[in-house]
Amino acid sequence: DVKVTQSSRYLVKRTGEKVFLECVQDMDHENMFWYRQDPGLGLRLIYFSYDVKMKEKGDIPEGYSVSREKKERFSLILESASTNQTSMYLCASTPRPLTYEQYFGPGTRLTVT
Amino acid sequence: QKEVEQNSGPLSVPEGAIASLNCTYSDRGSQSFFWYRQYSGKSPELIMSIYSNGDKEDGRFTAQLNKASQYVSLLIRDSQPSDSATYLCAVEGARSGTYKYIFGTGTRLKVLA
Repeated sequence: DVKVTQSSRYLVKRTGEKVFLECVQDMDHENMFWYRQDPGLGLRLIYFSYDVKMKEKGDIPEGYSVSREKKERFSLILESASTNQTSMYLCASTPRPLTYEQYFGPGTRLTVT
Repeated sequence: QKEVEQNSGPLSVPEGAIASLNCTYSDRGSQSFFWYRQYSGKSPELIMSIYSNGDKEDGRFTAQLNKASQYVSLLIRDSQPSDSATYLCAVEGARSGTYKYIFGTGTRLKVLA
């Protein structure tokens, strides 16, 4: 079974803090994704990575950066957290090519106060 | 026009009835289509994938794809209260030469006991 894990289920941070969200998958998948999910807006792609050290911006990259130093790990970084970044963050992975379904982690509910 | 459109619902059906969920998409080049189920507070889990025109059945679930009309649907037979969830339609498509998954905002299904 594919397993995608995320570092925290719930996280509370203060405005201006630097926040790290980590995602690890154990199936040697090439592609990894970070989404945020908000009511009425659905899943929106922040960044994705198709290989180690490779990354591409998604639809809403502003205020976020990512790091992929190892194949199994994809980190999302909020450089200076703001209240409008309060959301559910979901990590996903899939093997190449992108015709396969995505496997999601359990999600991190981030609250920025 | 949204790239992937779903009626947000809620769609209410009595227990034992057939639930019909619909999704339209705009990218004619899309080749892979997915239905995910998402319970409140949880991450999406794959229900069905479909790649060619026609019907694909898996237990109580049937996915239908019509590429000419650009729609994909999910039928749930003998609906159970445990089927109450939000159903997300996802389409793999090429945008600007980079392949991504595009999600609809989901249809909330309520199965009434």
